[in-house]
Amino acid sequence: NAGVTQTPKFQVLKTGQSMTLQCAQDMNHNSMYWYRQDPGMGLRLIYYSASEGTTDKGEVPNGYNVSRLNKREFSLRLESAAPSQTSVYFCASSERRNEQFFGPGTRLTVL
Amino acid sequence: AQSVTQPDIHITVSEGASLELRCNYSYGATPYLFWYVQSPGQGLQLLLKYFSGDTLVQGIKGFEAEFKRSQSSFNLRKPSVHWSDAAEYFCAVGYNTNAGKSTFGDGTTLTVKP
Repeated sequence: NAGVTQTPKFQVLKTGQSMTLQCAQDMNHNSMYWYRQDPGMGLRLIYYSASEGTTDKGEVPNGYNVSRLNKREFSLRLESAAPSQTSVYFCASSERRNEQFFGPGTRLTVL
Repeated sequence: AQSVTQPDIHITVSEGASLELRCNYSYGATPYLFWYVQSPGQGLQLLLKYFSGDTLVQGIKGFEAEFKRSQSSFNLRKPSVHWSDAAEYFCAVGYNTNAGKSTFGDGTTLTVKP
């Protein structure tokens, strides 16, 4: 039981490049989330998916897109990376009563 | 709008001393409340949770928290801090909806002095 896994762990991009962050969970959870974490700003919700086939914007969705590929997988795409998107990205999942399980994070640097 | 406030950005305590981390929330209904811990370079791990019932909840690693509705608070406590408790701590309030979203505080960084 791996919980929530994220790939890659580290990534360096140049401004304007695109990439997809992958997330998968093996706990059969319905809800999945993408957050970004920046120093002094806590966790900010980018997008979430309450169930397979649905996605909704969170607090900071601009510059990102998501895909809920199936119940297990929820990917985050940066179409044209900007230095302001340098951050640590966390994927999480939950089922009952909002208790969330987090992945180890992806550390992204945009030059 | 729902919000979570952690008034202390950084706290330093000596090893063996007691600890209290403060959390205040704003939410119109009965909240689900959580404390998470994040060690450097790691993801967040759930320490404890409150859904209903007994307002004093026990968690992992010897932590406890008390829900006080009148004060809209959910403070985290530990009687004796260990060096391994140095980490960042996040309080969160969950919405009672199917989407299961939570709002997180900005975190409190705990430093433990030997």
